Amino acid sequence: DSGVTQTPKHLITATGQRVTLRCSPRSGDLSVYWYQQSLDQGLQFLIHYYNGEERAKGNILERFSAQQFPDLHSELNLSSLELGDSALYFCASSVGNRRHYGYTFGSGTRLTVV
Amino acid sequence: ELKVEQNPLFLSMQEGKNYTIYCNYSTTSDRLYWYRQDPGKSLESLFVLLSNGAVKQEGRLMASLDTKARLSTLHITAAVHDLSATYFCAVPPSYNTDKLIFGTGTRLQVFP
Repeated sequence: DSGVTQTPKHLITATGQRVTLRCSPRSGDLSVYWYQQSLDQGLQFLIHYYNGEERAKGNILERFSAQQFPDLHSELNLSSLELGDSALYFCASSVGNRRHYGYTFGSGTRLTVV
Repeated sequence: ELKVEQNPLFLSMQEGKNYTIYCNYSTTSDRLYWYRQDPGKSLESLFVLLSNGAVKQEGRLMASLDTKARLSTLHITAAVHDLSATYFCAVPPSYNTDKLIFGTGTRLQVFP
């Protein structure tokens, strides 16, 4: 157990639907990052939150949004889902700007859009 | 735009042999990370390399960083089956960012 908790582990939904992925960072970590892993795109950075504030955006679609709550957990919302959104979505956390310790990844949410 | 390339993409090696995985990146960066991923699983942190010339070793794996050449290597010594996994290097695109750009990954298979 890495200490980063992601739910659900698996999600199957239909095209056009909306889903919410949840991430609880490791205790003491203020930063949360979301990544998407797919066979054709590899591991892609989506978005970074630090202590409730958005810090950086990557290749995140407009149909996707995220937020970090006061208790530091984060949610990634995916809407108007398309078949191509099927992927493994990872959350990672780190101790703010203390990069020396790297990033701890959760076990991921496997999203299948049918 | 930062590009991170790994080679080889696939590596099939016999137990007991040595091999090196290479990670090249296109822009200056002050640190580099190596991760391991088993099929369908999470990413496990292996090494954090923070400066030019940094070398770290854990068991049969040793990683090094040459920031001037924009190159990191992951050396495998006397491979064993348990090392079979996909290995990723990752680099932040600039000094003042915490996001990571991942390489394509190297899928390693160790056979008897």
